Amino acid sequence: DVKVTQSSRYLVKRTGEKVFLECVQDMDHENMFWYRQDPGLGLRLIYFSYDVKMKEKGDIPEGYSVSREKKERFSLILESASTNQTSMYLCASMILSGTSTGNEQFFGPGTRLTVL
Amino acid sequence: QKEVEQNSGPLSVPEGAIASLNCTYSDRGSQSFFWYRQYSGKSPELIMFIYSNGDKEDGRFTAQLNKASQYVSLLIRDSQPSDSATYLCAVNGNSGYSTLTFGKGTMLLVSP
Repeated sequence: DVKVTQSSRYLVKRTGEKVFLECVQDMDHENMFWYRQDPGLGLRLIYFSYDVKMKEKGDIPEGYSVSREKKERFSLILESASTNQTSMYLCASMILSGTSTGNEQFFGPGTRLTVL
Repeated sequence: QKEVEQNSGPLSVPEGAIASLNCTYSDRGSQSFFWYRQYSGKSPELIMFIYSNGDKEDGRFTAQLNKASQYVSLLIRDSQPSDSATYLCAVNGNSGYSTLTFGKGTMLLVSP
């Protein structure tokens, strides 16, 4: 079974702190994704990566950066946390395929981040 | 901006009934369509995907796709209380990347 793990289930930080959210997958997937999920707004893509050291902006990259130094690990960084970044953060991974059909994204358990 | 629209619900059905969940999408070039189930406090898990017009059945679940109408639906037959969850519709475009655009989800409540 594919396993996607995230470093923390719950995290509380203060405004202005630098925050690291870690995601690790064990299935050698090329693609990894970071989303945030908020009530009434759904799942929104922050950043994704399709290879080591490669990154692409998603729909809401402002205030975030990412790092992918190893294939299995994808980190989300909040350079200076703000209260509007309080949210559920979900990591996902997916195998690279030559087609866009039927490839499942596997999600980690999520990190609920509260910024005070 | 790609959009995926779902009725937020809640959709309430009695146990044993058919639940019908609907989704529309704006990007006519979309190629693959996914239904995820998300229990409260949990992460999404894939139920089904579909990429050809028509119906696709898997157990109690049937996905229906109509690309001309830009419409995808999920039918759940013999609904069970354990089906109570939020159902997310997701659409994969033709950008060359494997990204998904998610709808905001429809909450389904199945009463015993």
